Amino acid sequence: GESVGLHLPTLSVQEGDNSIINCAYSNSASDYFIWYKQESGKGPQFIIDIRSNMDKRQGQRVTVLLNKTVKHLSLQIAATQPGDSAVYFCAENRGGSGTYKYIFGTGTRLKVLA
Amino acid sequence: NAGVTQTPKFQVLKTGQSMTLQCAQDMNHNSMYWYRQDPGMGLRLIYYSASEGTTDKGEVPNGYNVSRLNKREFSLRLESAAPSQTSVYFCASSERGRPDNEKLFFGSGTQLSVL
Repeated sequence: GESVGLHLPTLSVQEGDNSIINCAYSNSASDYFIWYKQESGKGPQFIIDIRSNMDKRQGQRVTVLLNKTVKHLSLQIAATQPGDSAVYFCAENRGGSGTYKYIFGTGTRLKVLA
Repeated sequence: NAGVTQTPKFQVLKTGQSMTLQCAQDMNHNSMYWYRQDPGMGLRLIYYSASEGTTDKGEVPNGYNVSRLNKREFSLRLESAAPSQTSVYFCASSERGRPDNEKLFFGSGTQLSVL
């Protein structure tokens, strides 16, 4: 069953609209960021990643934007579909290829309205 | 290609009992991790293994032990379970150190309840 935060912020969007999910990260030394999608009862699933030397990266229907000035990350989902309903969270890696510790956000629940 | 496989999917323990969570990956990754996920909190790292033969503590290691049995397998052991260890546990693996492929791949999780 659902085990991810009971009181997560929720974003409700109409099917077909674009979704924007935001994440603030904490460490200016973080050099690698990932967005994950987690459906109820399942493990996190990789969506897209970005390195700190980039501002934007695009995938299929998804775009990640990185603003290092304000330590902010966003995930844009184009033409949101019912299958996009899930919890989305970001992860940051604090510094260097020798560091194995990722820090995860608590997540945002995306609800797609038909 | 199974990716990361965890067993069991569900487990109920009584306080003081012990158990081992099993994890195996078939992606030939060097690094493996154990996380716990609790309501209202992000995934927290319990232990990790940067490479075969090494293990290190994460954020919340107390009450747990790990074994990197070989490159494929990384187990998590609760020696004397406590109610505070009720959580969903995820195993993950990555090829950390390769700039083109550092993402974490997760298993489907083990839901553990300690009564």
